[in-house]
Amino acid sequence: GEDVEQSLFLSVREGDSSVINCTYTDSSSTYLYWYKQEPGAGLQLLTYIFSNMDMKQDQRLTVLLNKKDKHLSLRIADTQTGDSAIYFCAESALYSSASKIIFGSGTRLSIRP
Amino acid sequence: DVKVTQSSRYLVKRTGEKVFLECVQDMDHENMFWYRQDPGLGLRLIYFSYDVKMKEKGDIPEGYSVSREKKERFSLILESASTNQTSMYLCASSFLGGPQHFGDGTRLSIL
Repeated sequence: GEDVEQSLFLSVREGDSSVINCTYTDSSSTYLYWYKQEPGAGLQLLTYIFSNMDMKQDQRLTVLLNKKDKHLSLRIADTQTGDSAIYFCAESALYSSASKIIFGSGTRLSIRP
Repeated sequence: DVKVTQSSRYLVKRTGEKVFLECVQDMDHENMFWYRQDPGLGLRLIYFSYDVKMKEKGDIPEGYSVSREKKERFSLILESASTNQTSMYLCASSFLGGPQHFGDGTRLSIL
C-alpha cells in the first residue's frame, strides 16, 4: 500500500539552510505536499508540487521532486526560530470517491542559536 | 483564505458519554475529513465525506460515526467515549484532488 517515510528529527543552526527529506511509494500521486504544525495547532499547508514538476520555489522554501527515486525534499533557506515545528510530507492518492492524503510521521525541526 | 473551524480547542468528557465534535468550512469544498493524531502514530484517517449525506470509512473508524447534513459542516460522533479515544482530533476539507486545509484541532480528554 501507500507509504510515506521521513526522518523524525532535524537540528540546524539559526541562519543555516534546513533540508527535510521524504520518500513515498505511490507512483500515481498527483500532488505532493508539505505541511507545518506548530505546537498545539493544526496543520498549515506550506506548499505543494504537481507530480509533473521537478522543482518549486516560494520565497525561502524550495521543493525538489525526484519522481524516479520517489524522493521529495523541502529546503528552508536562512532558517529562523519561527521555523521550529513539525513538518509533514504527504502524497495524494485516489481513494474511492475522494482523494485521500497519506502523511508521513513528521520531522521535528529544532533551531540552535 | 480557506477557513476550517473546529468548535472547541479543548474538551473534557467522561467515559460512556456521547461526544460531538463539529467542523465547519467556508470554501464550498466537496470533501471533508476527520483525523486523529497521537504521538508516534502520526495522523490517522477516521472518516471522510465526499458529498452531503455521503461518508466513507477511513483507516480507524471503530468507535466513531459521522454526520454531514450540510455541505459546510461535518460532525464526528463518539457514540460511547472511552479513554483510548483521548487524542487530538483534526478536521480538514478540500476540493476533489486538491490539497487539504486543516482546522486548529480539538484536544479531547476522556476521563
